[in-house]
Amino acid sequence: GAGVSQTPSNKVTEKGKYVELRCDPISGHTALYWYRQSLGQGPEFLIYFQGTGAADDSGLPNDRFFAVRPEGSVSTLKIQRTERGDSAVYLCASSAGSSLLNTEAFFGQGTRLTVV
Amino acid sequence: AQKITQTQPGMFVQEKEAVTLDCTYDTSDQSYGLFWYKQPSSGEMIFLIYQGSYDEQNATEGRYSLNFQKARKSANLVISASQLGDSAMYFCAMRTYSTLTFGKGTMLLVSP
Repeated sequence: GAGVSQTPSNKVTEKGKYVELRCDPISGHTALYWYRQSLGQGPEFLIYFQGTGAADDSGLPNDRFFAVRPEGSVSTLKIQRTERGDSAVYLCASSAGSSLLNTEAFFGQGTRLTVV
Repeated sequence: AQKITQTQPGMFVQEKEAVTLDCTYDTSDQSYGLFWYKQPSSGEMIFLIYQGSYDEQNATEGRYSLNFQKARKSANLVISASQLGDSAMYFCAMRTYSTLTFGKGTMLLVSP
């Protein structure tokens, strides 16, 4: 596809369950970001990948959150033992390499996670 | 650490008038890029305009212009001739070699 694709678009899960959120970036984009956005708030940074490696994971709130990008394209955000406070829209964005500061990040439509 | 501050939670403007949305930033990096994004109620993030830290001229894109004052670390967005379709959340963001950081946003409402 031409844009950033996130699946699923909506996910409802029970408290305590494990979830995986997928992001398929624009082909050739080496930089990939994950954000969490609550209603009326700005995107909260979670993790940044440059290629296969996590260049900055300082935004992950705790050890229940983990993300991978094994082949440098698709990324999966994994949340263990979900809590109601994890409910939010999870946004993924990709852009050309980090050395190109003038390239904008392209966002997916997000995954709306609801923990009940 | 990088920080973006948007001090206006909400702004109101009448159609056809201009409006300025404020953004200040903090970074110790010498090289960085500043971006503005629009997020309508549909939730998509739409890129509007970019300003590089070494750019001497203010960026313009159609009705959008960026008032860049490097010494004050501000990057305000100016929307000229507001339209009803401009009603949305607006986010200022800063990209460095290590991350892309967003502000909390400003909700703009354009009235007829």
